[in-house]
Amino acid sequence: KAGVTQTPRYLIKTRGQQVTLSCSPISGHRSVSWYQQTPGQGLQFLFEYFSETQRNKGNFPGRFSGRQFSNSRSEMNVSTLELGDSALYLCASREGLNYNEQFFGPGTRLTVL
Amino acid sequence: AQSVTQLDSQVPVFEEAPVELRCNYSSSVSVYLFWYVQYPNQGLQLLLKYLSGSTLVKGINGFEAEFNKSQTSFHLRKPSVHISDTAEYFCASLPGAAGNKLTFGGGTRVLVKP
Repeated sequence: KAGVTQTPRYLIKTRGQQVTLSCSPISGHRSVSWYQQTPGQGLQFLFEYFSETQRNKGNFPGRFSGRQFSNSRSEMNVSTLELGDSALYLCASREGLNYNEQFFGPGTRLTVL
Repeated sequence: AQSVTQLDSQVPVFEEAPVELRCNYSSSVSVYLFWYVQYPNQGLQLLLKYLSGSTLVKGINGFEAEFNKSQTSFHLRKPSVHISDTAEYFCASLPGAAGNKLTFGGGTRVLVKP
């Protein structure tokens, strides 16, 4: 099976813009989680989607949002970008909410100028 | 609330020497524990996991970890490291219930020197 894929791999935006990141989970996996990784804050959970519904949410402002489609693919959107949003955004998938192992994609490196 | 503490931010080690990466967790409920490795410009790869049963868990690439409930620790070890083990290692916990999120430690950067 193909692994978790994320597009694009690299992105440069300016403050105030918005951005959409995409994640395709492993075939058959119905849960997708998003994480933000920064040198200062480490790995932080953003949210998890299952069956097109957000099931869990981390402590991020409302500028961070996501959605999941019927084919389990997920998108994450950040509006009104700030310099501090520069990070590696990782997507992870698992078969379902009762499955403990998550498989991570390579990430999208977002730079906000 | 869960928390995971990795006690060392950086660990330099010589090739073929042993290495131990320390991880302590806190949780009010039973947890699953994981170690992930991240190579430069890549995502996270699972090294091993503890769900239940034997407290000594063996993973990929010669790594193993020991779950110690009384000390709330899950330290990662490798008896002999290679240059290719240079990477960042993350300990993580997941509550033993559906729909909950992984909580990561701050990471330990391992630098293997020739």
